[in-house]
Amino acid sequence: RKEVEQDPGPFNVPEGATVAFNCTYSNSASQSFFWYRQDCRKEPKLLMSVYSSGNEDGRFTAQLNRASQYISLLIRDSKLSDSATYLCVVNSDYKLSFGAGTTVTVRA
Amino acid sequence: DAGVIQSPRHEVTEMGQEVTLRCKPISGHNSLFWYRQTMMRGLELLIYFNNNVPIDDSGMPEDRFSAKMPNASFSTLKIQPSEPRDSAVYFCASSLGGYAPNQPQHFGDGTRLSIL
Repeated sequence: RKEVEQDPGPFNVPEGATVAFNCTYSNSASQSFFWYRQDCRKEPKLLMSVYSSGNEDGRFTAQLNRASQYISLLIRDSKLSDSATYLCVVNSDYKLSFGAGTTVTVRA
Repeated sequence: DAGVIQSPRHEVTEMGQEVTLRCKPISGHNSLFWYRQTMMRGLELLIYFNNNVPIDDSGMPEDRFSAKMPNASFSTLKIQPSEPRDSAVYFCASSLGGYAPNQPQHFGDGTRLSIL
């Protein structure tokens, strides 16, 4: 079983829509969590950390459910520029594990 | 602010040749990571340095791969001899505090390696 699993998508949504997707992790002792964004043929870039109580950064909301071992990302009022692959990243035993990514395409 | 700098951006070479990838981490970051990304396997950690010392090299595929960090501002990843299956994008990343929780990693632009 992979340490971090994501629905690969793609999620195709119209501009202005809300899109949400999850990521599950296998190590219950995982210590910290992040969402990274990766554009086509570019490097991964940190989007936001995920805190236990959930957190927002503008149109982006991240949630953590330790009991069920999943993390979610919600994008409100999606923009064309939100089109990218979103990587779920989990810090377990002081080692970062990356999910394979969820592809989101926002259409005009 | 200068980010992580990698060179070359692209490398095309024939199998059997030696390949050397270079990385300059963000100034002040004491941890450096080498990753490989392919469509099939996603992003894989190859090796992690903390304060110039290799801490975890369990992801290095085989003896053909080697990495060094002679000082805090420079690292190399070498493949010798190279094989077509080594074709991938190789990323270098740096961070403060190594694997310390809540310390994100900052990635370079990557090196696109094609072995013919």
